[in-house]
Order: sequence, then C-alpha cells, then structure tokens
Amino acid sequence: NAGVTQTPKFRILKIGQSMTLQCTQDMNHNYMYWYRQDPGMGLKLIYYSVGAGITDKGEVPNGYNVSRSTTEDFPLRLELAAPSQTSVYFCASSYATGYQPQHFGDGTRLSIL
Amino acid sequence: DAKTTQPNSMESNEEEPVHLPCNHSTISGTDYIHWYRQLPSQGPEYVIHGLTSNVNNRMASLAIAEDRKSSTLILHRATLRDAAVYYCILRPGGGADGLTFGKGTHLIIQP
Repeated sequence: NAGVTQTPKFRILKIGQSMTLQCTQDMNHNYMYWYRQDPGMGLKLIYYSVGAGITDKGEVPNGYNVSRSTTEDFPLRLELAAPSQTSVYFCASSYATGYQPQHFGDGTRLSIL
Repeated sequence: DAKTTQPNSMESNEEEPVHLPCNHSTISGTDYIHWYRQLPSQGPEYVIHGLTSNVNNRMASLAIAEDRKSSTLILHRATLRDAAVYYCILRPGGGADGLTFGKGTHLIIQP
C-alpha cells in the first residue's frame, strides 16, 4: 500500500517559471490537502478538497492553484514562481473530517532562485 | 482551530518514559485533541487522538485533563527513533479544512 505519493522529491526553479507538484493517494480518501512548511515552522494549509470537483482555499493560497478531477489525484500548480515560495510542500489525505487522521506524503523540497 | 501551547523542546533518555505536555485553555466542547509527530526530513505522522477519555494505542497514550484544558502525550519507553517534533492540534469534530500546526515540541532522545 503506497499511501500518499508526491513527485518530484526535489526541484529547483528559476523566478517566473511554472511547475506542477503531483500528489496521488491509493486509499480512496475523499479529503485531500496541500501544506507548505518553511524552515523551523509548522505546516500551513494552502488548499484542500473534500471530493472530486470541489476545492477550497486554506490559510496561504496566493500564488497557487489546484484542481481535483479524480479522487486519487490533487495537483498543486505554481504559475509564476517567486523566492517566497521556496519551501517544503506536503500533500495529505483523510477518509473523513474531524477526528479522522490525515496521512502525509514525504514532501517536495522546492527552491526558487 | 483553537490555539495550543507546547514547550519548544524537551530532552529524555532512551528507554525511559516521556511526558509531552500541551495546554489548550480555549478548547471547545467539540474539539478533538490530535497529536502528530514529524521525524527529520519526513512528513507528519499521526500518533493519537482523543476527545474526553484517556486513550492508548500501540504508539503512545494520551492523558486528557478532566476540564480538557490540557493534555499529555506519553511515550512509555522512548527509543532513538522517537526523536522528532511533536505537534498537539485541536480539531473540530466536523471540521473539513486542514490541521493548524504550531511549532510543536522538539523531542531529543539521549542514548
């Protein structure tokens, strides 16, 4: 059981470039989340989805876009990369809300130079 | 999500019990208390959660104060692999959005 898989693991972008961070889960979870973690800090929510076709903004959505066309996949898009987006990005999923635990991927380390 | 307060860091010896405290004085009646941990260079990992009663699982125990304004995560016999940042998080029972992470407690295990 692979759980939550994120690709790529590492990436260096130039300012102004675009890229998509991929996230897929094989647990048939309806809820999926994108977080970013800056050095020495806790995770902050970027976007989340409660099911295919439904997405909503989290605490720090500016500069990012998401889509959810299938239950399994929840890609995160950076349109115009900026140095402030240098961070580690984590994708997570859960079966339901509230008390249900979230399962996290291993993260994508992104540097914008 | 309601705010939690944790010590920045704690140190313990291998094979000894560890008690990680968390204060959450503004907790509401429907908030679950969740604990996650994050090992170096990995994503967060679910540890345990509870609402009112103490909880045990294979990883840890969660002791919840009677007034629910504080809780303690108990690792019964720490190993070097338990060295991580531990996050105490409150989450509404019906909340659909994400978890609110603070800075957590950096647990150091001495051999």
